[in-house]
Amino acid sequence: EVQLVESGGGLVKPGGSLRLSCAASGFTFSSYSMNWVRQAPGKGLEWVSSISSSSSYIYYADSVKGRFTISRDNAKNSLYLQMNSLRAEDTAVYYCARVGRNWQFDYWGQGTLVTVSS
Amino acid sequence: QSALTQPASVSGSPGQSITISCTGTSSDVGGYNYVSWYQQHPGKAPKLMIYDVSNRPSGVSNRFSGSKSGNTASLTISGLQAEDEADYYCSSYTSSSTPLVFGGGTKLTVL
Repeated sequence: EVQLVESGGGLVKPGGSLRLSCAASGFTFSSYSMNWVRQAPGKGLEWVSSISSSSSYIYYADSVKGRFTISRDNAKNSLYLQMNSLRAEDTAVYYCARVGRNWQFDYWGQGTLVTVSS
Repeated sequence: QSALTQPASVSGSPGQSITISCTGTSSDVGGYNYVSWYQQHPGKAPKLMIYDVSNRPSGVSNRFSGSKSGNTASLTISGLQAEDEADYYCSSYTSSSTPLVFGGGTKLTVL
């Protein structure tokens, strides 16, 4: 059974940093691209970042470029999102999602809440 | 990259059919058959319902179907059931610098 479990969310002050993790199991992690998607309270889904299976290709939404860094450790079956210079508008539930061949997100974690507030 | 355009809300009675549209451009929906649809119940993670415009993942009811015409994709739900009440999001690969864009979401109410 495919499982994705996010962790690392919490309350952080504006300008602060946070590192999210996503532990994957039930599939060959090193064979799949992975993504982060976020959802602000009461709002829609927003794609955040993508990393290919071997980390060769990395993409970011304009809203987080230069502040967030996606990475992965295939030996540990883990995906990460380092978030720096956090802003109030980064407050959201952050989901990790496995990506299929044609950019479909076929499995999602349960999400972890990040709150940026003073 | 602007979000794909979806109606904010749609509604239907049990047993009826409804269609949710998702309008983009020739750089995303119109240019690629990489449109997906997701269902999200309150407080839950999204669930993939349709991929590659019209394909259903294993386990998804055949009451859900997808199609595309030009720059607009559509999700049709037939034989509406109470459990279909949820938010629905479309997404598409794009040829812009950011490869993926979501629609703004549509709230489906089953009357």
